[in-house]
Amino acid sequence: SAVISQKPSRDICQRGTSLTIQCQVDSQVTMMFWYRQQPGQSLTLIATANQGSEATYESGFVIDKFPISRPNLTFSTLTVSNMSPEDSSIYLCSVENPSSYEQYFGPGTRLTVT
Amino acid sequence: DAKTTQPNSMESNEEEPVHLPCNHSTISGTDYIHWYRQLPSQGPEYVIHGLTSNVNNRMASLAIAEDRKSSTLILHRATLRDAAVYYCILRKYGYSSASKIIFGSGTRLSIRP
Repeated sequence: SAVISQKPSRDICQRGTSLTIQCQVDSQVTMMFWYRQQPGQSLTLIATANQGSEATYESGFVIDKFPISRPNLTFSTLTVSNMSPEDSSIYLCSVENPSSYEQYFGPGTRLTVT
Repeated sequence: DAKTTQPNSMESNEEEPVHLPCNHSTISGTDYIHWYRQLPSQGPEYVIHGLTSNVNNRMASLAIAEDRKSSTLILHRATLRDAAVYYCILRKYGYSSASKIIFGSGTRLSIRP
């Protein structure tokens, strides 16, 4: 299994600002995933981040709004840019065991935009 | 992309078995069936997965229909700690950066003491 930590755990931000969320894994992984979970909803995949290559974004998500960095095999960041109240969500990162296909999730970052 | 359909909510009594259904009529031959659950204020956690045969682990059992168009997650003896949202997910075999992981709406399971 993998242990994943996220920073910050929660934040309250003003409209128009940006927030960078950090995801740290206790082991080296090839693929990391970023999800958004809006209040009372299921998880939506934002993008897949491979180390050493550009992130792959899902339909409805663009790099200018959600830039992702993946500098090494244990770390990734997701930035929520030019925030609006509609960006208020929980943002989660996850990694996948390539042998078993089990995914491990971080505890999430609860973002509130005022 | 193949999608899953689950009941919005289910309720069960403590210490009784729980059968959580999932329909995936458009499943393809390379799709694995995964189940995750999300306890309140936590990230999802892996429960079990399978391809064609029924699977058992310490948490649950997964029964897969012969045509693979549906599956059932079985909690053999529910406890209050099993109250969570359970997600049935299809995951394509093969490791590709373009692979999609689609969460459905899930089933909110409540356990009565």
